[in-house]
Amino acid sequence: DAKTTQPPSMDCAEGRAANLPCNHSTISGNEYVYWYRQIHSQGPQYIIHGLKNNETNEMASLIITEDRKSSTLILPHATLRDTAVYYCIVRVAYRGSNFGNEKLTFGTGTRLTIIP
Amino acid sequence: SAVISQKPSRDICQRGTSLTIQCQVDSQVTMMFWYRQQPGQSLTLIATANQGSEATYESGFVIDKFPISRPNLTFSTLTVSNMSPEDSSIYLCSVPDRVVDTQYFGPGTRLTVL
Repeated sequence: DAKTTQPPSMDCAEGRAANLPCNHSTISGNEYVYWYRQIHSQGPQYIIHGLKNNETNEMASLIITEDRKSSTLILPHATLRDTAVYYCIVRVAYRGSNFGNEKLTFGTGTRLTIIP
Repeated sequence: SAVISQKPSRDICQRGTSLTIQCQVDSQVTMMFWYRQQPGQSLTLIATANQGSEATYESGFVIDKFPISRPNLTFSTLTVSNMSPEDSSIYLCSVPDRVVDTQYFGPGTRLTVL
């Protein structure tokens, strides 16, 4: 799987949009970008993923550059509960019998602190 | 998404002893995964447990130290054997998510070895 690079930490004011960058310059054509977060002392939580189109769900938006070498996770209105470590992972996605079975390789992530 | 429980949620153990961590899922899954998160570090995969076959261990992890059982499609155990303080970590199990091609994580077991 391709390696990712994230800033070690970021701060964001409560109520503002939090924009978390991720570089994945060696990403392959069949690799997706996944984002997870880990709130203190809890298991990681899936947020969103995408291949090349921008994606949005109830939690966040994912913007992937046209060359797919970087992406940004956007939390539109950050709250104190969004304080967590955010992980960007690049991996192949599967269909059929391997669905969900591919291991996840976590980097060091970005520690996001939401400031009141 | 699956509901995953782990027991114990935390424990403090003496060096040289062993601890077995349980992972229970509310639905049948073929694969279960065990991860370790050392203090201040990211998650590292220990092994993949496929029901009906031997677990597959990642580089740096061996069966004698981390034996895994997978007796049925909803349950798995990870044993941390002959513990040392370096084994102090959070141990997490995960299962494939049925909707998204990814994994859903349990709450973790926080282990402290004295």
